[in-house]
Amino acid sequence: AQSVTQLGSHVSVSEGALVLLRCNYSSSVPPYLFWYVQYPNQGLQLLLKYTSAATLVKGINGFEAEFKKSETSFHLTKPSAHMSDAAEYFCAVGRGGGYNKLIFGAGTRLAVHP
Amino acid sequence: DAGVIQSPRHEVTEMGQEVTLRCKPISGHDYLFWYRQTMMRGLELLIYFNNNVPIDDSGMPEDRFSAKMPNASFSTLKIQPSEPRDSAVYFCASRQSGTGDNSPLHFGNGTRLTVT
Repeated sequence: AQSVTQLGSHVSVSEGALVLLRCNYSSSVPPYLFWYVQYPNQGLQLLLKYTSAATLVKGINGFEAEFKKSETSFHLTKPSAHMSDAAEYFCAVGRGGGYNKLIFGAGTRLAVHP
Repeated sequence: DAGVIQSPRHEVTEMGQEVTLRCKPISGHDYLFWYRQTMMRGLELLIYFNNNVPIDDSGMPEDRFSAKMPNASFSTLKIQPSEPRDSAVYFCASRQSGTGDNSPLHFGNGTRLTVT
C-alpha cells in the first residue's frame, strides 16, 4: 500500500535561505509523486510532478525535487526563499502508480521571516 | 480558463439540515474528484467520477453523503442530514486523462462548511 510521510509539520526559514521540505513515500509500484502548494483560503496548486522520467524535477516558482529511490524520498527544495513562498506544502503519491487516487501527506507549513 | 469553480465558498448550517455543494470542472476534463480537508484527517478522497460515472466512492463517510454528476460540467456533493463532525473544507478537483500537462489534479478554492 502507498503512503506518504512529511517530516516536520512546520518549517521556518529566513528570506534568502535554502528551503528544504522533506517527503518520504512508500509504494509497491513505481510511484507517481507530486508536490502541491496551498495558500490561505485557496485550493491546492501543483508545484511539480515525478512520473518516472528525470529524477530531478523542476517546478514552478523556482522549486525542484529529486526522486531518490534508494532513500524512498522526494524532498522539495528552493535555493532562496521568498516571502511569497509562505504557504502549506503537500507531498502526494499516486496510488497504484496513477494520477487518480492520490494519497496526500499531512502537509508542512512554511514560514518565511524577513 | 476559469479553473475549477466551487460554490458556495462558505456555508454555515444547523445540524440536521441538508447541504449541497456545487462544482464546475475545467472544460475538457473527464475526471472529477471530491476531497475533504480537516485538521485531524488531512486531505481525504471522498469520491471520483470518470465521464460522469462514479468510479470509486469508497471514501464517502456514510450514507448521509451522496454525490452526483449529471453532466460533464456540473457535480454536487450532498450531505443529508448534516452533523457537526462534517465541518471541513470540501474541495472539488478535475483532471484530464493521460499524462500531459492537464493530467494532474486541478483544485477549486473549496467550500468551507460549518455545521453548528
